[in-house]
Amino acid sequence: TQLLEQSPQFLSIQEGENLTVYCNSSSVFSSLQWYRQEPGEGPVLLVTVVTGGEVKKLKRLTFQFGDARKDSSLHITAAQPGDTGLYLCAAHNAGNNRKLIWGLGTSLAVNP
Amino acid sequence: EPEVTQTPSHQVTQMGQEVILRCVPISNHLYFYWYRQILGQKVEFLVSFYNNEISEKSEIFDDQFSVERPDGSNFTLKIRSTKLEDSAMYFCASRQGQGTEKLFFGSGTQLSVL
Repeated sequence: TQLLEQSPQFLSIQEGENLTVYCNSSSVFSSLQWYRQEPGEGPVLLVTVVTGGEVKKLKRLTFQFGDARKDSSLHITAAQPGDTGLYLCAAHNAGNNRKLIWGLGTSLAVNP
Repeated sequence: EPEVTQTPSHQVTQMGQEVILRCVPISNHLYFYWYRQILGQKVEFLVSFYNNEISEKSEIFDDQFSVERPDGSNFTLKIRSTKLEDSAMYFCASRQGQGTEKLFFGSGTQLSVL
C-alpha cells in the first residue's frame, strides 16, 4: 500500500510567521500535487511538481519536490489569516494517471 | 473560472435505500472521477471514467456502486443499497486531458446514512 504521510497534522501560528509542512512517502511518484481545502468545499489545486528537486513558487508559497520524488514540502512565508485551511498533498503513481493517492492533510490556522 | 457542480450538497438517507449523487463536470472535460472523504480520514479514490466507460475503480467501488453519464453533461454516482459506512463527503472531479493537467473538484455532497 502506498502511503503519503503529512506532518504536522495540526498547526496554529500567528500572522506573519513562517511555516513548513511536509509530505513524505517511501514510494516514488511521477508527480505530486498540493491542494488547499476549506470547510464545505472541494480541494483546490495549488501546484503540481513533476521533476525531482523542482521548486515552484506561488506568491508566498514555495513548493519543493524531493530529488528522489518521494517527498515534498510547502513553505509559507509571512502567513496571513487567509492562508487558514487544510493543505493536502496527493500523488500519481508512476505509470498511472487515473487516480490520486492522498495524504491526511495539515490543518493550518493562522491567527490575527 | 469554470466549475464542477454537485447536487445535492447534503443528502440524508436510510440504510438500504438507493441514492444518486449528481455532478455536472466542466463542459469540455473528458475525464471524470469520484472520490470520497470520510470524516477524519484521507480522501479516497473511487472510480475514473473516460470515453463512456470506467477506466479504473478501487476496492471500495463494489457492486453496490455504479456510475453513468446519461446525457453528455451529467455524471452520476449511484449507491444501490446504502450502508452506514457509506456516510462521507463525495467529491466529483473532472479534467480536460490526461497527464498532469489540472483536476477540478466540485464542492461535494455530504451523504449521511442513518
